[in-house]
This record gives sequence, C-alpha cells and structure tokens, in this order.
Amino acid sequence: DAGITQSPRYKITETGRQVTLMCHQTWSHSYMFWYRQDLGHGLRLIYYSAAADITDKGEVPDGYVVSRSKTENFPLTLESATRSQTSVYFCASSEFLAGVAEQFFGPGTRLTVL
Amino acid sequence: SQQGEEDPQALSIQEGENATMNCSYKTSINNLQWYRQNSGRGLVHLILIRSNEREKHSGRLRVTLDTSKKSSSLLITASRAADTASYFCATDASGYSTLTFGKGTMLLVSP
Repeated sequence: DAGITQSPRYKITETGRQVTLMCHQTWSHSYMFWYRQDLGHGLRLIYYSAAADITDKGEVPDGYVVSRSKTENFPLTLESATRSQTSVYFCASSEFLAGVAEQFFGPGTRLTVL
Repeated sequence: SQQGEEDPQALSIQEGENATMNCSYKTSINNLQWYRQNSGRGLVHLILIRSNEREKHSGRLRVTLDTSKKSSSLLITASRAADTASYFCATDASGYSTLTFGKGTMLLVSP
C-alpha cells in the first residue's frame, strides 16, 4: 500500500521491556519523524532523520533509540519501557521542496506500559 | 516547549457557521502550517503559509499570518459536521523541515 504505515497499531507491554515501533513509507521521502502525543502536551518531536544513516534528537529523546538503515524505514525503540512512555506515537515523513515541506503522518501506535 | 499555542482550546458551533482558530508563536519562522486530526487518526496537512505571505486560501479555509504579532488565524467558512476535529498549528523555524506543534483547538460542529 502506498503511503506511510505504522505497526503495531496497539501495544501493551510491561515496565523494563524493550519495544520497537515500526514505520514504513513508500514515497522515498528524505525526512522522517517520530512524535509522541499526550493529553495536555500536543505533539512533541522525539527524533528525526534527514536521510538514511542521519538521525538527530528532537525535544524529548531520552529513553528512545532510532535507526535508519533504509530510506523507507524508521524504527523507534524503547530500550527499557517506563510508564511515562505510555502515549500515542506518530511517525511522519516529508520531502523538502522549494524551501518548504509538509509532513505526512501515519495512523499512530497506541502504546501502554504497565 | 511549544512554539505555537492555539486559542481557543475548544470551540463549539452549529453547522453553517464560521470557525476561527488562532495561533501564537514565539520566534521567527520560515513558514506556518495547519493540520487537522480526526479522533483516533493521524494528522492531515491542510495549508501552509510562508513567512512572506499574509493570507492564503484553500477551498473553505482561509489562513492569515501576521509576523509582526507572531500570530496566525485559521478560518473555516460554512462549517460542516465533518469538520469536527482537532486543529493544530505548526511552525517551521529551522528551515530544515522540523516542525513544532501547538496543543491544538478541538472543534465541534453540531448538525
């Protein structure tokens, strides 16, 4: 399917476990992003990537790890999940054209850490 | 910290009425974007306005930008029940495609 997909859509895990959220886009966009959305905070940027093998921290990177070995994939790993990481996670992609870029969002992954 | 702050936090109107949402931000920007989020879904891009533009239209949407006041407004004319959603402004200050989102305005349009 064309577009941007996330898996799983729902995940329940326990404190201390490692969790990986997957993101895949079919547009070959250069940029990819991970956000978390929490009530009262809106969307906050966790990590982003400008190209394969290039990643950078966003506003709230602590406790998360990312990699980007292929342009189309941008997995987000919680190395040791904590209850404060319970959230809805959105992946997005964009291409920088003529000085601007709109972002295209995936459907989100709802993560609950018990 | 949030760059954009939307006002009001929630807005309830009748079908056919106009809805106006405001966004204020703190630093200089390259462009400002508005996104819509339906309940349980990802965000969808609505419109982008560059820092050298003052007004932009797209269908029933009208966006204004006042860089001297560091503020923007989104007007939805002749609202429909299907416009019920959360609306977010997002600022691009870096020029490198990263956006900073506000907390959003929840719009409820009643039939």
